[in-house]
Order: sequence, then C-alpha cells, then structure tokens
Amino acid sequence: GENVEQHPSTLSVQEGDSAVIKCTYSDSASNYFPWYKQELGKRPQLIIDIRSNVGEKKDQRIAVTLNKTAKHFSLHITETQPEDSAVYFCAASYNTDKLIFGTGTRLQVFP
Amino acid sequence: DVKVTQSSRYLVKRTGEKVFLECVQDMDHENMFWYRQDPGLGLRLIYFSYDVKMKEKGDIPEGYSVSREKKERFSLILESASTNQTSMYLCASSFLNEQFFGPGTRLTVL
Repeated sequence: GENVEQHPSTLSVQEGDSAVIKCTYSDSASNYFPWYKQELGKRPQLIIDIRSNVGEKKDQRIAVTLNKTAKHFSLHITETQPEDSAVYFCAASYNTDKLIFGTGTRLQVFP
Repeated sequence: DVKVTQSSRYLVKRTGEKVFLECVQDMDHENMFWYRQDPGLGLRLIYFSYDVKMKEKGDIPEGYSVSREKKERFSLILESASTNQTSMYLCASSFLNEQFFGPGTRLTVL
C-alpha cells in the first residue's frame, strides 16, 4: 500500500529564515498532495495542496513543489514567523478523499 | 463554515470497558474518518466510511469497530479497551479532497 515518509521530524529556525520539509511517497499513481498544519492543542487544518499535473504552487509565504519522477514533494516556508511554529503533516492520495499521512514535522521558529 | 464535533475532549476509562467515541459533522459530507494520533507516528487511519452503513478498514483497525447509521454521525467503538489504546483520537469529514477535523478526544485507558 501507499507509504509516505516525512523528514525531518523536528526543525528549528530563526525568525525570518526559510524552512523546508520533505516527503516521499511510494505509490506512483498518487495524484493529490496536501499539507496540514496543527498548532499546539488544535486540530489539523489544510494550508496548501498540489495535484500531480502541477510542479509548484505558491500562497504568500508558503509553497509546495512536486517531483513526480523522484516521487517527492516539499513544503517551503519563507520569512518564518513565530506563528508558523506547529506540527506539519504531508499526505498523499489517489482519486479518493482517503489520505495517507506522513509522521509529521515539529517546526519551531525562534524570535 | 464546516463544523466537526466530537463528544468528549478528555475521557478516562478502565481496561476492558466498552468505549464509544462520537463524531458529528454538519455539512452533509459523504466521507468520514477516524484517526489516532501518537507522537512520532503521525495520523494513522483506523476506519473510514464513504456513505451511511458503509465502512472500510484503515491501516490499524484491530481492536476497533465503527458505526454509521446516519450521514452526519460516525462512531468509533473500542469493544474492550486496552492500555495501548491510550491516544488522541481525531475524527474528520471530507469534501473535494479536503479533510475537516474535529477537536480530538484524548482517551486514557487505565
């Protein structure tokens, strides 16, 4: 079945620096790749997603890139702020709302 | 605004008890999911449902069952709770690929 690996498990950056989280997936048929953010004590929420017919997508300070050949996708956060501190989950799916999640990355942004 | 609610935020049960976790969504979504969240393991799918009375096993269904008698409600049942089921349980509903999560139930089994 589908497997999604996520790295690193923890990431600490200085405010204003960039942060990059990487995921690899096993099922080459996967065609939808969302990213969820979970702040401490809160529920996960979708922040950005990308489909397999697109290589990159941006939304203000966050961007996601997809390399279908290598079967990996990444989340890029620029100009990080303390409120970006959270756990980030990547996920993958194929033509279904059922998602396979990565194990999460705890991002800490220090002022 | 999509609203997904769960019956309890915190629950403490004893080993061997039957436990019911309830999830309700108010957006008429077809799909509903139950996950457990453990540190370092991410969100693992227990069961999901694509329609009323329909269910499919996820990655870790052992020790759990589910019930979906009405579209808006999806229940997770622990037939005989064990200490290794101590965890955070998250329910979600989905529409057009986006999943909307409930606030979670932190279950402790003593």
